[in-house]
Amino acid sequence: DAKTTQPPSMDCAEGRAANLPCNHSTISGNEYVYWYRQIHSQGPQYIIHGLKNNETNEMASLIITEDRKSSTLILPHATLRDTAVYYCIVTIKAAGNKLTFGGGTRVLVKP
Amino acid sequence: GAGVSQSPSNKVTEKGKDVELRCDPISGHTALYWYRQSLGQGLEFLIYFQGNSAPDKSGLPSDRFSAERTGGSVSTLTIQRTQQEDSAVYLCASSLVGQNNSPLHFGNGTRLTVT
Repeated sequence: DAKTTQPPSMDCAEGRAANLPCNHSTISGNEYVYWYRQIHSQGPQYIIHGLKNNETNEMASLIITEDRKSSTLILPHATLRDTAVYYCIVTIKAAGNKLTFGGGTRVLVKP
Repeated sequence: GAGVSQSPSNKVTEKGKDVELRCDPISGHTALYWYRQSLGQGLEFLIYFQGNSAPDKSGLPSDRFSAERTGGSVSTLTIQRTQQEDSAVYLCASSLVGQNNSPLHFGNGTRLTVT
């Protein structure tokens, strides 16, 4: 699986959009970008995934650059409950989803 | 519907004792995974079951660790002769087979403390 690089931490104001970057410059053509988050004392929670097109669901939007070497997870209106560690993971489709979690970005939403 | 269920939620054991951790996956999910997370660290893959295939045990840290999945549903992770470095949160996840980009659904883990 391709390696990902994320900032270790970031703060966000409640009600504002949170933009979480992820670099994956060695991504290959059949690798998906997945985002998970882990709220304190809970298991990781799936947020969204994509291959090359931008994706949106009820939780977030995923913007993938045209060259696919980086992506941004957007939480449109951050709430205090969005405080968590956010993991960006790149994995090939046929890997059986054995995901490798890196250090992630610790996001603190402040009132 | 019900999510992934793990029990117990907390376990305190003495060094040298054996422990069993249980995972009930989401109904219909035939892929099951065990991870562990030490305090302040990321997730470490342990073992993966998919259908009737041989499990991928490549992440098990030592032969004191084993896991089984009976009837293609419930899984048990067993740690023999526990050591203090085994203290961690043990997380179980499940996903659909046949959909390789199906996301993993995690339980809330078992927090193991070895004294």
